[in-house]
Amino acid sequence: QVQLVQSGAEVKKPGASVKVSCKASGYTFTSHDINWVRQAAGQGLEWMGRMNPNGGNTHYAKKFQGRVSMTSNSSITTAYMELSSLRSEDTAVYYCARGLFIILDGDWFDPWGQGTLVTVSS
Amino acid sequence: DIQMTQSPSSLSASVGDRVTITCRASQSISTYLNWYQHKAGKAPQLLIYAASSLQSGVPSRFSGSGSGTDFTLTISSLQPEDFATYYCQQSFSDSWTFGQGTKVEIK
Repeated sequence: QVQLVQSGAEVKKPGASVKVSCKASGYTFTSHDINWVRQAAGQGLEWMGRMNPNGGNTHYAKKFQGRVSMTSNSSITTAYMELSSLRSEDTAVYYCARGLFIILDGDWFDPWGQGTLVTVSS
Repeated sequence: DIQMTQSPSSLSASVGDRVTITCRASQSISTYLNWYQHKAGKAPQLLIYAASSLQSGVPSRFSGSGSGTDFTLTISSLQPEDFATYYCQQSFSDSWTFGQGTKVEIK
């Protein structure tokens, strides 16, 4: 079955960087975008950006441009999201999600990874 | 960016109730609108895509409707496993956005 398995929880100091991985299985990795979405405690879902593993094209939400980098290694069907210059407000659960697309229907996310808690604290 | 506004932010309902959640876009998004269910500690699950298409495996008590700027998610008969937070998400523009969520609680 299609599955996304993320790396474990991280604790980082303000100003540091974090890199979260997302291992895909059960489908052709290069055929679908990988999206990243986060949820801070008590807040809603926030889309961060997407990456096409077939060529590496990315599109980042304006809020994260300059601080986020989304990459992949197709040989091990794994996507990565690196967020730099961390601050306390970046404490959140980070999810990866496969993008699905049908012309004239749009794009959606299915399935999602289990989430990775990133805590930023001095 | 396109703003998505859900209402209500939360609601209390009983098992068996019909529940309707509304999502409004700040500009027309055709039917590029999806709905997700999110339970605490779990990964979000896709319920509805393209405004009204039911994702495979999702119970038929869930339905979606709307186009342009106004959309609804309806649960025809609320079940115990449906207590969760529901989010709409648009994919009309290049940068995708979610609504703020609607928490469905037990009455």
